[in-house]
Amino acid sequence: KNEVEQSPQNLTAQEGEFITINCSYSVGISALHWLQQHPGGGIVSLFMLSSGKKKHGRLIATINIQEKHSSLHITASHPRDSAVYICAVLSLRSYNTDKLIFGTGTRLQVFP
Amino acid sequence: DVKVTQSSRYLVKRTGEKVFLECVQDMDHENMFWYRQDPGLGLRLIYFSYDVKMKEKGDIPEGYSVSREKKERFSLILESASTNQTSMYLCASSPSWGGDTDTQYFGPGTRLTVL
Repeated sequence: KNEVEQSPQNLTAQEGEFITINCSYSVGISALHWLQQHPGGGIVSLFMLSSGKKKHGRLIATINIQEKHSSLHITASHPRDSAVYICAVLSLRSYNTDKLIFGTGTRLQVFP
Repeated sequence: DVKVTQSSRYLVKRTGEKVFLECVQDMDHENMFWYRQDPGLGLRLIYFSYDVKMKEKGDIPEGYSVSREKKERFSLILESASTNQTSMYLCASSPSWGGDTDTQYFGPGTRLTVL
C-alpha cells in the first residue's frame, strides 16, 4: 500500500464546477505539498501546509493532521485548471533530508 | 524567480548507450534531486545531493549514478541505458536555509525513450 494515496485518480468536470481532490497518508509528516503538473511535464508548487487551511485565488487547501488527510478544492473551475494534481508529504522519518513521498496524482480535465 | 533547467526536453537513445541528463539551478540551492515519473507510480526518487560532491541514494538508484561537481549542476548518468529506463526524468532543487526550505522547485522534465 502506498504511503500517500490520492482520490480520485481521474476527474472530469464542467466549467464552473466546484472540485475536490483528496489525499490520505499513513506516515507522520512535517509538511504536505500540493503540486500541479501541466501537459508537457513542468511541476509547480501550489501549497505547502503543516496545519489548517491556505487559500490562493480559486484554490483552497486544507489539512487535518489527526485524520492524516488533506483536500485541494478548486472553486469555479476553468479549462485552464486541467492538469495533474500531486500530493506529496515530507515524512518525519526524513528529518533533515527534504525527501518527499509522492502520491500518484489526480488527472483533472475541465470542459467548457 | 527560481529557475531549474534541464538539458533536453526529449531524448531518444539506444539500449546500451551511456546517457547524461543535466540539471542546472540558479538559486544557489544546496539540495538537488533526480526523480523519474511513470504512469500509475508517481514520482520516485533516484538520487539526491545535499552539497557539492555529496550524494545519497534514493528509492530506486539501481542502474543510475550521479555527479555534483558544482553547486548549481547535478547530473544523472545512465551507464548502460535499458528499455525499462524509458521514463520522464525530473530534476528539483531546494534550499537548506530560509523560509521555503521544504519547497522543491522542479525543472521542466526530460522525456527519455530507450529503444
